[in-house]
Amino acid sequence: KAGVTQTPRYLIKTRGQQVTLSCSPISGHRSVSWYQQTPGQGLQFLFEYFSETQRNKGNFPGRFSGRQFSNSRSEMNVSTLELGDSALYLCASSLAGKGAGELFFGEGSRLTVL
Amino acid sequence: TQLLEQSPQFLSIQEGENLTVYCNSSSVFSSLQWYRQEPGEGPVLLVTVVTCGEVKKLKRLTFQFGDARKDSSLHITAAQPGDTGLYLCAGAPSNTGKLIFGQGTTLQVKP
Repeated sequence: KAGVTQTPRYLIKTRGQQVTLSCSPISGHRSVSWYQQTPGQGLQFLFEYFSETQRNKGNFPGRFSGRQFSNSRSEMNVSTLELGDSALYLCASSLAGKGAGELFFGEGSRLTVL
Repeated sequence: TQLLEQSPQFLSIQEGENLTVYCNSSSVFSSLQWYRQEPGEGPVLLVTVVTCGEVKKLKRLTFQFGDARKDSSLHITAAQPGDTGLYLCAGAPSNTGKLIFGQGTTLQVKP
């Protein structure tokens, strides 16, 4: 069965721009979580969506937002990009929809902000 | 402040050596997970430990959950170059529903 698909895989933006990343979870998975991964901070939790509702949120500024559609696909948006937003953004889906369930990760979207 | 502290952060060893990676916290977790991430890929779940003092083995990898549910360890016996990667521990603090990760241990096994 198909895994978690993230698009685009790579993108370059400049400061002040905005970006939208997309994630298609494994079929049947209703929970989608987003993480930011950087060499200095590791994997940082952004937010989790379950059945189109944001269920958990990490400690990121309001420039980071997301949503989930009725087919469980999810998008995250970062507005007014800063240099520090350069990172690998990982999406993960899970079946159980609970925090301790197994997460299945996509390959990530690598964002570079110039 | 990292809720889950991993040590060491970097480890470079020769093929055939043994190693242990630690994951510690001051918080209690109902379970802890270990993931491995290879370059260009997302993390992949290796194991979930749930019971106090639980020991789980996955071929040459041995995972243990601490008695107080605040720590876990990963021991690799006779490491091989294929074990190279980033090892991450993860857990959901008792009063939240979100899975958080340690900063990871980068392991390099040289042939």
